[in-house]
Amino acid sequence: AQSVTQLGSHVSVSEGALVLLRCNYSSSVPPYLFWYVQYPNQGLQLLLKYTSAATLVKGINGFEAEFKKSETSFHLTKPSAHMSDAAEYFCAVSELIQGAQKLVFGQGTRLTINP
Amino acid sequence: GAVVSQHPSRVICKSGTSVKIECRSLDFQATTMFWYRQFPKKSLMLMATSNEGSKATYEQGVEKDKFLINHASLTLSTLTVTSAHPEDSSFYICSATRPGTDTQYFGPGTRLTVL
Repeated sequence: AQSVTQLGSHVSVSEGALVLLRCNYSSSVPPYLFWYVQYPNQGLQLLLKYTSAATLVKGINGFEAEFKKSETSFHLTKPSAHMSDAAEYFCAVSELIQGAQKLVFGQGTRLTINP
Repeated sequence: GAVVSQHPSRVICKSGTSVKIECRSLDFQATTMFWYRQFPKKSLMLMATSNEGSKATYEQGVEKDKFLINHASLTLSTLTVTSAHPEDSSFYICSATRPGTDTQYFGPGTRLTVL
């Protein structure tokens, strides 16, 4: 079974600083990988996804992630943090089970932005 | 704009009653929808896969008779929490996969509080 590990349940950065949220996966097949963001009391919004095309994936709100097969990683970055980026971020891997693409989520990382 | 809606967004009920939560795909037909449960400050746990016109597929440890899922049309899946108890209080989120893509679109979630 596939799994996802997010290193750091809580990350805090200053406004304008680099954001780096770490995600490592385990998969026996080429994975589809996703980053989702969740604001308080809301559902999940897709930030970006990797589906075996370009290894550097650009998403919404200035976020991007790089797929590194050798490191089994898919870390999320943003060059300059904004106060509105404060939220919970989830990395997920897609697993095909009984004909359905199921998502396996990491534990989540809460991002706090300091003024 | 939102492509998946949930209703209600928040519900409070007495112990022993049943609660129905609706999940609708707004601009596409979804043969498969997913139901997740999220505990406070935790990740999403897949409860079941809802298949249009057939029985839902439940994850291990999820009680089928407790969480009834009906996927009667290509745009609507319902989750009924039967004989709810305080331990069923949680944030329930649904998602739907747009046909021809690998992306799950999430609803805004339903906060269930059982007194």
